[in-house]
Amino acid sequence: EAGVTQFPSHSVIEKGQTVTLRCDPISGHDNLYWYRRVMGKEIKFLLHFVKESKQDESGMPNNRFLAERTGGTYSTLKVQPAELEDSGVYFCASSPRGLERWNEQFFGPGTRLTVL
Amino acid sequence: GESVGLHLPTLSVQEGDNSIINCAYSNSASDYFIWYKQESGKGPQFIIDIRSNMDKRQGQRVTVLLNKTVKHLSLQIAATQPGDSAIYFCAENGWGGGSNYKLTFGKGTLLTVNP
Repeated sequence: EAGVTQFPSHSVIEKGQTVTLRCDPISGHDNLYWYRRVMGKEIKFLLHFVKESKQDESGMPNNRFLAERTGGTYSTLKVQPAELEDSGVYFCASSPRGLERWNEQFFGPGTRLTVL
Repeated sequence: GESVGLHLPTLSVQEGDNSIINCAYSNSASDYFIWYKQESGKGPQFIIDIRSNMDKRQGQRVTVLLNKTVKHLSLQIAATQPGDSAIYFCAENGWGGGSNYKLTFGKGTLLTVNP
């Protein structure tokens, strides 16, 4: 079974540019999460989808970040315009259908974003 | 807000020794805890979890201990091997907030195993 995949693995952009990150969850997983780790800090929750609906977006830093999950399959996270403080590693995770909080979240390898 | 943190940012051990990684949490309502391992170039990988109705849980070479009185969590790795070298994160999935599913992570401990 394929795991969570993310694209690209690394992105280097100039401040003010736009970047779109993609996450493909494990097939059949209704729950999809975005997290990010800024240098030297802990991994922080950004948002949670259940299928195509945003269940919780309380961790989104500001309105420069837009996440979508049209069709309830893959998800994209767009940063527009990117700022220096957006640099970090963006992780996507997915978990199976169900309301169990202790369903394991399977993480992708992350996208390393560098904003110059 | 509530947070989960680690006592030690780095830990260096000899191959074959036992390793102990500690974690403190502040949310008294936390009732589910997870340890993740992150190797270079990979995402966090689930190691073991524990619910608050338990104080100890064992897996293969790993044991998690939970002390709710002092809000402390630890991960013990027996007979540490070079392949155990990684960053270890504790995470908590407690009640509260818009989602009951979001994980709150500690900063991570870098474990280095010397041959």
